[in-house]
Amino acid sequence: QKEVEQNSGPLSVPEGAIASLNCTYSDRGSQSFFWYRQYSGKSPELIMFIYSNGDKEDGRFTAQLNKASQYVSLLIRDSQPSDSATYLCAVKSNFGNEKLTFGTGTRLTIIP
Amino acid sequence: KAGVTQTPRYLIKTRGQQVTLSCSPISGHRSVSWYQQTPGQGLQFLFEYFSETQRNKGNFPGRFSGRQFSNSRSEMNVSTLELGDSALYLCASSLGPQGSGYEQYFGPGTRLTVT
Repeated sequence: QKEVEQNSGPLSVPEGAIASLNCTYSDRGSQSFFWYRQYSGKSPELIMFIYSNGDKEDGRFTAQLNKASQYVSLLIRDSQPSDSATYLCAVKSNFGNEKLTFGTGTRLTIIP
Repeated sequence: KAGVTQTPRYLIKTRGQQVTLSCSPISGHRSVSWYQQTPGQGLQFLFEYFSETQRNKGNFPGRFSGRQFSNSRSEMNVSTLELGDSALYLCASSLGPQGSGYEQYFGPGTRLTVT
């Protein structure tokens, strides 16, 4: 079982709709959760992080965390063509192993 | 403020050779982490350096090594290259070590092709 799992996609969403990206993790000791966006041929950039159960909103982006289910998601409202990219979920445990573990990413395509 | 820089951007090597990649972090950043990115495995953590000391290491063979200098610049070395080492190598810098809550900023990467 991979430590961090994401559906590789591609996920196609019409412009203006809500894009929902999901991520599950295996380490129950994980404490910090990050979403990175990576455009083709570019390096990853951090767009959201979340530490506590529940929702965290930042503009059109909402991160949702459920530690009991070991599940974190990213919602993108009013999707724009510029949101087309690969979204990487990353998880970090703060107990003895602080390295950031990434999922393989979900490729999102927004259809105009 | 200049971002993270990596040199070279592209590299072609043959099996058995060794290679050294360089990363210059954002000014003031003391932590540098290295990652390998391949289509099949995604982004995998190699190691992290903070204040010239290796803090964490991923599950890579000993052929992969690194170091950090007093000016926080870091180098990664891969010896006895294998075809499977072909990948995009990314470094990321942050003000503090991983786990301290500081954001990591990624460089543009070095694309290594092993033939």
